[in-house]
Amino acid sequence: DGGITQSPKYLFRKEGQNVTLSCEQNLNHDAMYWYRQDPGQGLRLIYYSQIVNDFQKGDIAEGYSVSREKKESFPLTVTSAQKNPTAFYLCASSMTTLTEAFFGQGTRLTVV
Amino acid sequence: EDKVVQSPLSLVVHEGDTVTLNCSYEVTNFRSLLWYKQEKKAPTFLFMLTSSGIEKKSGRLSSILDKKELFSILNITATQTGDSAIYLCAVGSYNQGGKLIFGQGTELSVKP
Repeated sequence: DGGITQSPKYLFRKEGQNVTLSCEQNLNHDAMYWYRQDPGQGLRLIYYSQIVNDFQKGDIAEGYSVSREKKESFPLTVTSAQKNPTAFYLCASSMTTLTEAFFGQGTRLTVV
Repeated sequence: EDKVVQSPLSLVVHEGDTVTLNCSYEVTNFRSLLWYKQEKKAPTFLFMLTSSGIEKKSGRLSSILDKKELFSILNITATQTGDSAIYLCAVGSYNQGGKLIFGQGTELSVKP
């Protein structure tokens, strides 16, 4: 089945550790996105990529990094520089940046 | 600064009621407005609106865009308990590539 797969669903990490969230899509979409969702704040864009080997910062990129070496994959690393990393992270993809985005099931990251 | 505001933030209705959710926006170089439904994890795509005054309909859900007054409404008729979810409105701009600006969401609860 075509879709977007995020893993893991739940992730616990100690403060000060880097952690990488996986996002894979088999929809042959060019564009991929990472959003962060906090209660009462809607979704905020962390990074997006319009094409392989290219990505741009979103509104809250500080403390995060991404790579886009393959069309299907857009992993997000939450670094120790991110001051408040506990959140629900959503990955999305779209055929182009002008079409609707489809979301994965999300990863809930808890930093203790 | 671009922004998207949804109202109300939360709403409780009974099965069979009709609800109207609002989304207003201030976005330069508007491209499209999208509605999503988020039940537990992944937001699922409902509608994408680009033209003013043309209603999009899917079953009991419908939506319309007013580009002069800068808002959209999402109507749900004959609500069911399965309509309980967070409804997200997002706006895309030609200025910002694939970036979607999300509102805070409206949490709808439908009681039996």
